[in-house]
Amino acid sequence: KAGVTQTPRYLIKTRGQQVTLSCSPISGHRSVSWYQQTPGQGLQFLFEYFSETQRNKGNFPGRFSGRQFSNSRSEMNVSTLELGDSALYLCASSDRDPYYNEQFFGPGTRLTVL
Amino acid sequence: DAKTTQPNSMESNEEEPVHLPCNHSTISGTDYIHWYRQLPSQGPEYVIHGLTSNVNNRMASLAIAEDRKSSTLILHRATLRDAAVYYCILRSPYSGGGADGLTFGKGTHLIIQP
Repeated sequence: KAGVTQTPRYLIKTRGQQVTLSCSPISGHRSVSWYQQTPGQGLQFLFEYFSETQRNKGNFPGRFSGRQFSNSRSEMNVSTLELGDSALYLCASSDRDPYYNEQFFGPGTRLTVL
Repeated sequence: DAKTTQPNSMESNEEEPVHLPCNHSTISGTDYIHWYRQLPSQGPEYVIHGLTSNVNNRMASLAIAEDRKSSTLILHRATLRDAAVYYCILRSPYSGGGADGLTFGKGTHLIIQP
């Protein structure tokens, strides 16, 4: 099976713009979670989707949003980009409830905001 | 959210066992203990998880204290490829709201000496 894929792998944007990142989970996986990783804050949970429903959301401003499609693919959107949004954005998928199952992480999308 | 405490870094020699400790004194009865590791320039990788009983898999063993306030990840024979940041994470069951995703702490930076 192919692993979790994220596109694009690298992205450069300017302040004020918006960006959409895409995640394709492992085939058959219904749960997708998003994380932000920065040198200062480490890995922080953004949100989790299970069968198209957002189940959990981390402590991020409303500029960060996401959705999951019927084929389990997920997108996250960041509007009005700020310099502090520069980070590695990681997507992870799980075939069942990630509460008691492993998550498989993708390679991430490196976002740079200038 | 229940938090975990891990040493910032540990050093071990190649081919020797490694015991990585994690304290989670505020763990609740339904929290699963998950361990992930992150190699340089890669997304996190699942290692092992458990609830109450000790667990073994091909990568490692997880020893959980009887009171569940601490746990230890055991790498039986460390190799250079095990050099990574190891994260001990508590996962709460979905409760209908709130940030119940994986809450990553700072982790332990494991250094393996040849």
